[in-house]
Amino acid sequence: DQQVKQNSPSLSVQEGRISILNCDYTNSMFDYFLWYKKYPAEGPTFLISISSIKDKNEDGRFTVFLNKSAKHLSLHIVPSQPGDSAVYFCAASDSGSARQLTFGSGTQLTVLP
Amino acid sequence: NAGVTQTPKFRILKIGQSMTLQCAQDMNHNYMYWYRQDPGMGLKLIYYSVGAGITDKGEVPNGYNVSRSTTEDFPLRLELAAPSQTSVYFCASGQGGEQYFGPGTRLTVT
Repeated sequence: DQQVKQNSPSLSVQEGRISILNCDYTNSMFDYFLWYKKYPAEGPTFLISISSIKDKNEDGRFTVFLNKSAKHLSLHIVPSQPGDSAVYFCAASDSGSARQLTFGSGTQLTVLP
Repeated sequence: NAGVTQTPKFRILKIGQSMTLQCAQDMNHNYMYWYRQDPGMGLKLIYYSVGAGITDKGEVPNGYNVSRSTTEDFPLRLELAAPSQTSVYFCASGQGGEQYFGPGTRLTVT
């Protein structure tokens, strides 16, 4: 049973346009959500997070939106750059021991020049 | 700061062999984690630790063991390697918010 789902395995966007990556979750105990970016042969790199007490968090070109009633979050990248091409993972945790993360299966973003 | 380091980067094991994947962090984080990532999948938690001397199972612990004798080090032991353990292994550390990942160990069991 996948508690965190990323239903789009891939997404292609033109440079300069907006990239929107989506994530759905089923566990209502999740209260902290994160996005990670991963390049080939490297470990995931933390990008941005949001607590369930907020519905939006912004950091430069990256904005995460959280819709608790729909159990849905999205990552917006504006403007998209070729260096943003990577796999993006959505992850979630509850307030339990050690804040264990449950990951989605990832979305491969390709930004075309 | 080196962050989270992992050794080796690559390893090929024969079925039934054993090995230890090393992980170290220099950020003085209390929490450390081991994940595995299979092709096309997300990361799955194998084991985690909330501090020296304290470890607990994650989602997929079978076939693995861990120990945490110091804050810095969190080795993962594979006993009797099986083809199903072919994967990329990531170690991470954190303080209860975001986790910081090492570069990974690619393990093949044949």
